[in-house]
Parts: sequence; structure tokens; C-alpha cells
Amino acid sequence: AQSVAQPEDQVNVAEGNPLTVKCTYSVSGNPYLFWYVQYPNRGLQFLLKYITGDNLVKGSYGFEAEFNKSQTSFHLKKPSALVSDSALYFCAVRDFSGAGSYQLTFGKGTKLSVIP
Amino acid sequence: NAGVTQTPKFQVLKTGQSMTLQCAQDMNHNSMYWYRQDPGMGLRLIYYSASEGTTDKGEVPNGYNVSRLNKREFSLRLESAAPSQTSVYFCASSIGTNSYNEQFFGPGTRLTVL
Repeated sequence: AQSVAQPEDQVNVAEGNPLTVKCTYSVSGNPYLFWYVQYPNRGLQFLLKYITGDNLVKGSYGFEAEFNKSQTSFHLKKPSALVSDSALYFCAVRDFSGAGSYQLTFGKGTKLSVIP
Repeated sequence: NAGVTQTPKFQVLKTGQSMTLQCAQDMNHNSMYWYRQDPGMGLRLIYYSASEGTTDKGEVPNGYNVSRLNKREFSLRLESAAPSQTSVYFCASSIGTNSYNEQFFGPGTRLTVL
């Protein structure tokens, strides 16, 4: 079975400071990892994904994420936070090796608040 | 290019009533999904359709049925609504079901069952 943990329900950061939203995962095979963002009363928007290759993945709106296989983590980062980054962030995983495994498993979400 | 659209945006039902949530995508995607989002629980997959003409159960299918009407449309039906089905429902689509395909989400339907 695959699972995702987002250990922080909420992260507060001052505008202009770097931000990190944490994610750890568990799969039986190799993972495909995703980050999505949800603004209030909106659907989820895709930010970035890790499939293979370079452990540092760059995505939309200046976000990036680092895949760490030994720590089974995929933390989302941004060098300088904006107030407009305030939203709910979801990490998700799919097991690469699962035949017919179409299910994308989501974490419970982390609410990011960027303080002006 | 509207992406994924859902109707209605809001709905209030009484226990035992039925309704159908509609979803359509204009991205020529093969695969479509229905999720529910509950506070503190992330998104959970209800049903999915890997391709036109096929549907399969996800993590929480009880109390729901789906229809893949054509390549564009995927509907979710509640035959006899229960208060436990109060949730926000999201439809999503992807090019295919390959594990690396990202999913594109609609704006959601907020359903309250009294």
C-alpha cells in the first residue's frame, strides 16, 4: 500500500523568507511524486512532479521540490515567499511498479500562510 | 479551453434524495476521476474511468455510481443521499492512467446532505 504524510497541518512564514512544506511517502516500489496547490474555493492545481532523473524538480510559480530517496521525502520549497502563495498544499504519490495502480494517494494537506 | 467543468457548484439535499453531479473535460483526456475532499483527510478516490467505456471503484465507492457517457463526460450519482456524503466533490482528468500523468481538477461541487 502507498501512503503520504504531511507532518505539519499549518506553516507560517514571513513574506520574503524561504518556505518549506514537508512531505514523506511510503511505496513498495519506485514512486512518482506530485505537489498540488488549492486556493480557497477552487480545485487543485498541479505544481510539479518527480518521475526520474534530477532530484531537484522545478515547477510553477517559482516552486521547487527535492526528492530524497534515502529519507523517502519530497519537500516543497520556494526561496522567497509571497503573500499570494498562501493556500493549501497537497503532496501525492503513485507507485510506479503497481500494475493497474491508478490511484493517486494524497496527503492531508498543509495550510501555508505567508504573513506580510 | 475551459479545462474541467463541474455542475452544480453547490447543492443541498435531504437524506434519501438522489442527484447526479456532472463533469466534462475538453482536453481530449482518456482518463477521468471522482474524488471527495473532507476536512483533514485530503482527497479520496471514489471512482475512476481509465478510458471511455470502462469504470472502476476507488477507495470509497459505497453509496455512489458513475457513468462514463462519452470521452468528455463522467457523471457521479448518489442514489440515496446520506449525511455522511456531505463533502466537496472534485472531478479530474488526465491524458492516461500512466503513473506519471498529472491530473487536472475541476472547481468542485459543495454538497450538503441534511
